[in-house]
Amino acid sequence: NAGVMQNPRHLVRRRGQEARLRCSPMKGHSHVYWYRQLPEEGLKFMVYLQKENIIDESGMPKERFSAEFPKEGPSILRIQQVVRGDSAAYFCASSPLRGIDEQYFGPGTRLTVT
Amino acid sequence: KQEVTQIPAALSVPEGENLVLNCSFTDSAIYNLQWFRQDPGKGLTSLLLIQSSQREQTSGRLNASLDKSSGRSTLYIAASQPGDSATYLCAAFNTGGFKTIFGAGTRLFVKA
Repeated sequence: NAGVMQNPRHLVRRRGQEARLRCSPMKGHSHVYWYRQLPEEGLKFMVYLQKENIIDESGMPKERFSAEFPKEGPSILRIQQVVRGDSAAYFCASSPLRGIDEQYFGPGTRLTVT
Repeated sequence: KQEVTQIPAALSVPEGENLVLNCSFTDSAIYNLQWFRQDPGKGLTSLLLIQSSQREQTSGRLNASLDKSSGRSTLYIAASQPGDSATYLCAAFNTGGFKTIFGAGTRLFVKA
C-alpha cells in the first residue's frame, strides 16, 4: 500500500504565477487535510476535505487559495497569483476516518516564489 | 480555541540518556493526540497515536502518555541515539471540529 503521495516535491514560481499542488491519499482513505509550514514555524491547518466536499476551510487564506478533492483523482491545492510570503512547505495528510484515526502525511511540496 | 505548547523548544543530550518531551494543550476535549517526528527538509513520520480514552502508548524505545485532566502529554525516549536527532511534534485533534492543532515542536540533538 503506497503512502500518501505529493507532487511536485519542489516547485518554483515567479510572483503572480499560479501554483498547483497535488496530493494522492493512501488507498482506502477518503479524508484529506492540507497544512502549511512556514520557515522555522510549526504546521498550520489549512483545509479538510472529503471526496467532492470541503468540510472545513477555516485555515485557508480568504483570497487566492482554493482546494478541491474530486470524485476521481488527487486532491489539489491551488494558489493563484503567488507572492513571496507563500513560500513554504505544504503537506497533505490522509486518514480513513476524520482524524479519529491516525493521519498519514505525505513528503510535502516545497514552494519557492521568486 | 485549542493551543498546543511544547517544551523545551530545543534539547541537546549525550547518547544513551533517557529524556522526556512535554506537550500541553488548553482544551481537553480532544479525540486523540499524535506524536510525530520530522527530519530536516522532510515530511512527518507518525510515532504514536493516543486516543482520548487511553493513558499511554508504547512503541520500542518510545512511550507517550496522555493526561486529559491536566492537558498534558509526554513523550519518553529511552536510551537516546544520534539517529533520534530530529524535531518532535505533538498534535491534538479536537472533538466537535476538524482541525488538528500542532505544537511548534522540540528540536532534539543527540550527541555521539
